[in-house]
Amino acid sequence: QQKVQQSPESLTVSEGAMASLNCTFSDGTSNNFRWYRQHSAKGLEVLVSIFSDGEKEEGRFTAHLNRANLHVSLHIREPQPSDSAVYLCAVNYGSSGNKLIFGIGTLLSVKP
Amino acid sequence: AQTIHQWPVAEIKAVGSPLSLGCTIKGKSSPNLYWYWQATGGTLQQLFYSITVGQVESVVQLNLSASRPKDDQFILSTEKLLLSHSGFYLCACRDNSNERLFFGHGTKLSVL
Repeated sequence: QQKVQQSPESLTVSEGAMASLNCTFSDGTSNNFRWYRQHSAKGLEVLVSIFSDGEKEEGRFTAHLNRANLHVSLHIREPQPSDSAVYLCAVNYGSSGNKLIFGIGTLLSVKP
Repeated sequence: AQTIHQWPVAEIKAVGSPLSLGCTIKGKSSPNLYWYWQATGGTLQQLFYSITVGQVESVVQLNLSASRPKDDQFILSTEKLLLSHSGFYLCACRDNSNERLFFGHGTKLSVL
C-alpha cells in the first residue's frame, strides 16, 4: 500500500518569504498527487493537483512532481499570515483511482 | 458548483450507543462520494467510497459501515460506538473533470 510522508512537521516563515513543503511517497505508479490545506475554520480546501512530472502552478501555489525520486513538493510564493494552516499531501492508489492516502501534514506558520 | 452538507456539525455520544452521520451533495449528479476520518492529532484516513447508489467500498476497517441510499446521499453509521471512533469525519465528492475532491465542513464526534 502507498505510504506518504511529509516534512518538515512544522515550518515558520516570515511574510513574503517562500515556503517550501515536501512529500515523499512509496509507490511511483500513482497517477495523481494533490496538496490540500486544513484551516480550523474553513475546513479542507484543495490547492493544486498534479498528474505529470514537472511543475503545476495555481496562483501562489506551485507543485513539483518527480516520480523517479518519489517526491512532490509545494512552494508558496509570498505567503501571508492567512496562509497559516496545516498542509496535507495526498496520493491516490488503487486501480480505480478512488483510494486516497494523506500524509500527516506540515503545520505552516507565517509571521507578519 | 456542488455543495456538500454534513450533519450533524458536532455530536457527543456514549460508548456503545449507535451513530448515524449524514452527507448530502447538491449540484452534481452521480457523484463519487467518500468518507474520511481524522483522529485528534492523527492523519486523515479514507474510510469508504461509493461510485453509485447502493454500492459502497470499504477502505479501512474501523467497525463502521456506510450506505448510499440515494444518488445525493452518503450515510456513515455504527450500532455500537467505541472510544476510538472519536474524531473528525469528513464527507467528500469528486469533481470528475479534474479529479479534485471537495469536502464538507465535517462532523466532530466525541465518544465518552
